[in-house]
Amino acid sequence: NAGVTQTPKFRVLKTGQSMTLLCAQDMNHEYMYWYRQDPGMGLRLIHYSVGEGTTAKGEVPDGYNVSRLKKQNFLLGLESAAPSQTSVYFCASSAMRDTQYFGPGTRLTVL
Amino acid sequence: LAKTTQPISMDSYEGQEVNITCSHNNIATNDYITWYQQFPSQGPRFIIQGYKTKVTNEVASLFIPADRKSSTLSLPRVSLSDTAVYYCLVVPSYYGNNRLAFGKGNQVVVIP
Repeated sequence: NAGVTQTPKFRVLKTGQSMTLLCAQDMNHEYMYWYRQDPGMGLRLIHYSVGEGTTAKGEVPDGYNVSRLKKQNFLLGLESAAPSQTSVYFCASSAMRDTQYFGPGTRLTVL
Repeated sequence: LAKTTQPISMDSYEGQEVNITCSHNNIATNDYITWYQQFPSQGPRFIIQGYKTKVTNEVASLFIPADRKSSTLSLPRVSLSDTAVYYCLVVPSYYGNNRLAFGKGNQVVVIP
C-alpha cells in the first residue's frame, strides 16, 4: 500500500515551458488536492477534486490546470511556467472530508 | 475564507509539555478542527481532530473551548524528534469559497 505518490520528485524548468505533475493514490479516496508551499506562506490550496471527473479552484489557481480522469489520479499542469511558480508542490487525498494523506512533494524550480 | 491564526514559532525544552494555540474566529457550526505535523522535506501528516471539548490520542491532546473560536494542541513531554511545523486546519462542511485553508503553521523547536 503505497499511499500517495508524486511524480517527479524534482524538476527544473525554463520560463515558458510546460509540464505535468502526477499524483496517484491507492486508498480509493474520493477527494484529492494540490497544494503549493513557499517559505513563510504555509500550505496554499491550488485546486481540488471531490470525485472522478470533477475539479474546483482553491485559493491560488491562476497559472495551473488540473484533471481527474481516473479516481486514483490527479494531474496538475503548468502550461507556461513562470519563476513565481517555483515552489514545493504537495498532493493529498482523503475519504470525503476526512483526514488528508499527503504525498512526499515535488520540488519545482523555474528559471 | 475560514482563516486560522497561529504564532509563528516557539521553543521548548526536551521533556516539557508544549501547548500550541490556533485561533479560528470564523468557524461554522458543522466545521471541525484538525492538526497536522510537518517535518522538513516531507508532506504533513495528521495528528488529531476534534469538534468540541477534549480529545486525546496516543501522541497528543486537543482542547477546544465551548465557543470553538480557538483550539490548543498539547504535546506531552516533547523530544527532539517533535521539532516540526504544526498546522491547524478547520475542515469546513463544504469546500467552496476558499473555506478550506491551512494557515502558515507554527514552527516548534525542541531544545536539548
